[in-house]
Amino acid sequence: GESVGLHLPTLSVQEGDNSIINCAYSNSASDYFIWYKQESGKGPQFIIDIRSNMDKRQGQRVTVLLNKTVKHLSLQIAATQPGDSAVYFCAENAGGTSYGKLTFGQGTILTVHP
Amino acid sequence: GAVVSQHPSWVICKSGTSVKIECRSLDFQATTMFWYRQFPKQSLMLMATSNEGSKATYEQGVEKDKFLINHASLTLSTLTVTSAHPEDSSFYICSAKTGRGPDTQYFGPGTRLTVL
Repeated sequence: GESVGLHLPTLSVQEGDNSIINCAYSNSASDYFIWYKQESGKGPQFIIDIRSNMDKRQGQRVTVLLNKTVKHLSLQIAATQPGDSAVYFCAENAGGTSYGKLTFGQGTILTVHP
Repeated sequence: GAVVSQHPSWVICKSGTSVKIECRSLDFQATTMFWYRQFPKQSLMLMATSNEGSKATYEQGVEKDKFLINHASLTLSTLTVTSAHPEDSSFYICSAKTGRGPDTQYFGPGTRLTVL
């Protein structure tokens, strides 16, 4: 699992490699998950989302996998590019009366080397 | 579409003063806006949920008298940090929802607050 701390996990890859960023969530009631990309000094940018009735969803160069059994979410980025360098956050929504409220994960710093 | 702006993008103020940050949905009406705070190298922490025409709902540990939120219209919410202190220095980010579901939330570019 992840906890809030001062040192974000980091992932360094070479340009062209595939990247996998992982996220553990704690609320078994969460039914909607989103991956965001945040560049330095900017707000989060939506990448891809997935609902709890799915275990995989694909976008352009990105794939999100959801394993509800172990409460794990991953983001796969194909052919990673230097422009993909940023902090990546997963976020979850518990649904119900909490609809709209997002709980963010710790974040992972992705650095892509040319 | 679905653009959210914040103003100012950065602000420096003296300790004890109040600072107002605006969050606007530029091309849609937002019944709900959220305010987050982000410290360096940390994640976003939800501060409060703001619904148009009603009082904001604050998360546990967030002082409502210190962080005043007003959501006077469907396109504008403001966060006022009252009597700011250096520990309030942070990156404040708002988001706005276009509909009922969580999948319609759009984030602003953030406001960097530095309290001297």
